[in-house]
Amino acid sequence: QKEVEQNSGPLSVPEGAIASLNCTYSDRGSQSFFWYRQYSGKSPELIMSIYSNGDKEDGRFTAQLNKASQYVSLLIRDSQPSDSATYLCAVEASGAGSYQLTFGKGTKLSVIP
Amino acid sequence: DVKVTQSSRYLVKRTGEKVFLECVQDMDHENMFWYRQDPGLGLRLIYFSYDVKMKEKGDIPEGYSVSREKKERFSLILESASTNQTSMYLCASRALGYEGNTIYFGEGSWLTVV
Repeated sequence: QKEVEQNSGPLSVPEGAIASLNCTYSDRGSQSFFWYRQYSGKSPELIMSIYSNGDKEDGRFTAQLNKASQYVSLLIRDSQPSDSATYLCAVEASGAGSYQLTFGKGTKLSVIP
Repeated sequence: DVKVTQSSRYLVKRTGEKVFLECVQDMDHENMFWYRQDPGLGLRLIYFSYDVKMKEKGDIPEGYSVSREKKERFSLILESASTNQTSMYLCASRALGYEGNTIYFGEGSWLTVV
């Protein structure tokens, strides 16, 4: 069973601080990694995708991938109250399981004004 | 703009009823998915389809079936609804894989079985 683990939180950070969200996965052959944001009562929306080791930046968001450690993270700089949501890590299965994403249970982030 | 439409947003059904959840995407995507999301359990894959008339079981297919007669439409069927199927159901679609593609979700269908 492929697993994706996230701290459930809640993670509370003050406005303007850096929020750090972490995710580990069990399938060593995974190739594609995604971060989704989900507001309460809404469906998930994609924030970032990452496929290669290292950092990928998009505005205030930075995704970091370390395949050797089977670890992916999301940094949110200058956190805003509007960033308060649940963040889902998703990993694409390798091999015969391709086309599927396995999701973590999500980390709830609260940005305190 | 990407569009995945779930026609039924809020449903209340009785135990034993047959329930149809419809999903339509307008992006000509090959892959379509049905997930359910429950507090504490996260998103779980029920079924997916990688092309018309093709379907594969996900992690929790029991009690569900699917239909994909046309590329743009993927239906989830609860043959005999039970209270433990009360949940939010999310449809999603995705183009066949090249790097950079992602899964797009519909707005969700909230189903209550009483």
